[in-house]
Amino acid sequence: NAGVTQTPKFRVLKTGQSMTLLCAQDMNHEYMYWYRQDPGMGLRLIHYSVGEGTTAKGEVPDGYNVSRLKKQNFLLGLESAAPSQTSVYFCASSYFAGATNQPQHFGDGTRLSIL
Amino acid sequence: AQKITQTQPGMFVQEKEAVTLDCTYDTSDQSYGLFWYKQPSSGEMIFLIYQGSYDEQNATEGRYSLNFQKARKSANLVISASQLGDSAMYFCAMRRKGKAAGNKLTFGGGTRVLVKP
Repeated sequence: NAGVTQTPKFRVLKTGQSMTLLCAQDMNHEYMYWYRQDPGMGLRLIHYSVGEGTTAKGEVPDGYNVSRLKKQNFLLGLESAAPSQTSVYFCASSYFAGATNQPQHFGDGTRLSIL
Repeated sequence: AQKITQTQPGMFVQEKEAVTLDCTYDTSDQSYGLFWYKQPSSGEMIFLIYQGSYDEQNATEGRYSLNFQKARKSANLVISASQLGDSAMYFCAMRRKGKAAGNKLTFGGGTRVLVKP
């Protein structure tokens, strides 16, 4: 019962460093998402994908890039980390649009600190 | 653009009592879905309940029920018989329907619930 798995769970970076967060889902979901959650706030969508090889911008895409080379994986990259990107990052996945009552399934989050 | 408002930043509730968490939304769409998620202190997001905009009956899932008032654009979550394990952040979210919308969710700011023994 893996569901949505995020790696790593914690990471500390220095300003200017780069890193990639990996999200993997084993539910054969078409759609995948990356969100960030800042203290005391709700989740905000960074980027999303409606299928293998496709990506689209969400609400707060600046400073991030994504790739979906395989259906089960969705990668979030920070090319040059900034302190403003300190946050908890959540990956989620869901079925295609036809299953409208199906919820998004979330990973456990990655806590990222940029010093 | 969609907007979700949760006006209660924090609430206390006595164990075994019911609590209502407010959620109002703003959309020009006729077809949409509303979700509630629970986030305990451990951090994971747990799906609780769903309400479709065309659903005629209010959704219920165990101790969770949704008071859906479409004309007022509100979708309040009711937790009955509160338990200590209900202490968590609760998020209301809305999804536009249709493939073009990408099943994206718009989240409210959340309400923190603390259940007192």
